[in-house]
Amino acid sequence: EAEVAQSPRYKITEKSQAVAFWCDPISGHATLYWYRQILGQGPELLVQFQDESVVDDSQLPKDRFSAERLKGVDSTLKIQPAELGDSAMYLCASSLPGEADTQYFGPGTRLTVL
Amino acid sequence: GQNIDQPTEMTATEGAIVQINCTYQTSGFNGLFWYQQHAGEAPTFLSYNVLDGLEEKGRFSSFLSRSKGYSYLLLKELQMKDSASYLCAVKDSNYQLIWGAGTKLIIKP
Repeated sequence: EAEVAQSPRYKITEKSQAVAFWCDPISGHATLYWYRQILGQGPELLVQFQDESVVDDSQLPKDRFSAERLKGVDSTLKIQPAELGDSAMYLCASSLPGEADTQYFGPGTRLTVL
Repeated sequence: GQNIDQPTEMTATEGAIVQINCTYQTSGFNGLFWYQQHAGEAPTFLSYNVLDGLEEKGRFSSFLSRSKGYSYLLLKELQMKDSASYLCAVKDSNYQLIWGAGTKLIIKP
């Protein structure tokens, strides 16, 4: 069964350091999403790609966060510099455009900023 | 503003039935999703409703009433492994998913 891959699964860093997360969507899924989820809350969309183009990055803190999907397949989310408040689960999801456009999630990266 | 309301926490007994409600107020409606999320893991897709009525999938069923802005997830024959958070999400007029905070379901033996 096809799955969304993410790495690393866990990341511990000190504030002011740079961190990067990688996501490989399900093959053929043109739409890719990066979410941040704080414990006890629903996922918050950071950025949405359609192929290599950004569709929505209105909630992405652009002073410190950046995302790219250069070839329209895998994607990288970067934080520089990391802050204590960035500690959260970072989720990647992908979907195949259609009526339901169901999003399928990867295992996530648990980030802890010390 | 857009809003999804779910109970924060529910408790049920193994073998019983539980109904998790979700009410929504969004700018437009293009479908409602239910996801299951075990602690420390990613959400997994459970169901999708776009028309009124009940969709049954094994032990899980999901109901939608668009006129009432209301959905529920029904879990039958509860098992300990059903202990998880259940997230309701609505696709709005811009086809963006609006997420609820989730309902933590605790199953007791």
